[in-house]
Amino acid sequence: EIVLTQSPGTLSLSPGERATLSCRASQSVSSSYLAWFQQKPGQAPRLLIYGASSRATGIPDRFSGSGSGTDFTLTISRLEPEDFAVYYCQQYGSSPITFGQGTRLEIK
Amino acid sequence: QVQLVQSGAEVKKPGASVKVSCKASGYTFTAYYIHWVRQAPGQGLEWMGWINPNNGGTNYAQEFQGWVTMTRDTSISTAYMELSRLTSDDTAVYYCARGSVALGTDIWGQGTMVTVSS
Repeated sequence: EIVLTQSPGTLSLSPGERATLSCRASQSVSSSYLAWFQQKPGQAPRLLIYGASSRATGIPDRFSGSGSGTDFTLTISRLEPEDFAVYYCQQYGSSPITFGQGTRLEIK
Repeated sequence: QVQLVQSGAEVKKPGASVKVSCKASGYTFTAYYIHWVRQAPGQGLEWMGWINPNNGGTNYAQEFQGWVTMTRDTSISTAYMELSRLTSDDTAVYYCARGSVALGTDIWGQGTMVTVSS
């Protein structure tokens, strides 16, 4: 099983700032099948990034993903008020599918 | 539009079973897998397994083997997840999600809250 470790656990930033979230895998993620999700309270997760760097339909270009192998990053270039939420990474290249424990992005 | 609509909240007693449905619309039901993911209150996301609606094939996470059953009815584009021998630890929101090799899980249902309480 691939274990995903996200850091930091909580990130406190202000609107307009840049956010950098990290996801490290315990072994190489097959074919960069790494996704990022945003989840707000009471809502289902929303797919932001798939294939490590491809934006899902309708996702603003301030969201970008990068990385390969075992190290992946989600960057939000300029934070908007609606971006404050919990973010999860997920690997779907091997079974079982696994998720990171989440990074909470909060308003400073 | 593409969407997955799940059945409503459930309250069950310990030892009972629960069956959650997930109705797909806006796409060809048999062309994508359906995954099930759960989230306990205040916790992270836990993958339970998937079903291939085309042939009914399943792949369950090891933790759930023996007490989860995933099925589908292609005539009504609906997938089901049944969990048996419920305990309080199964109290969670259960999500279905559309799955593909390239995109992973791209479309999610709204979630079904299952509460297990005596």
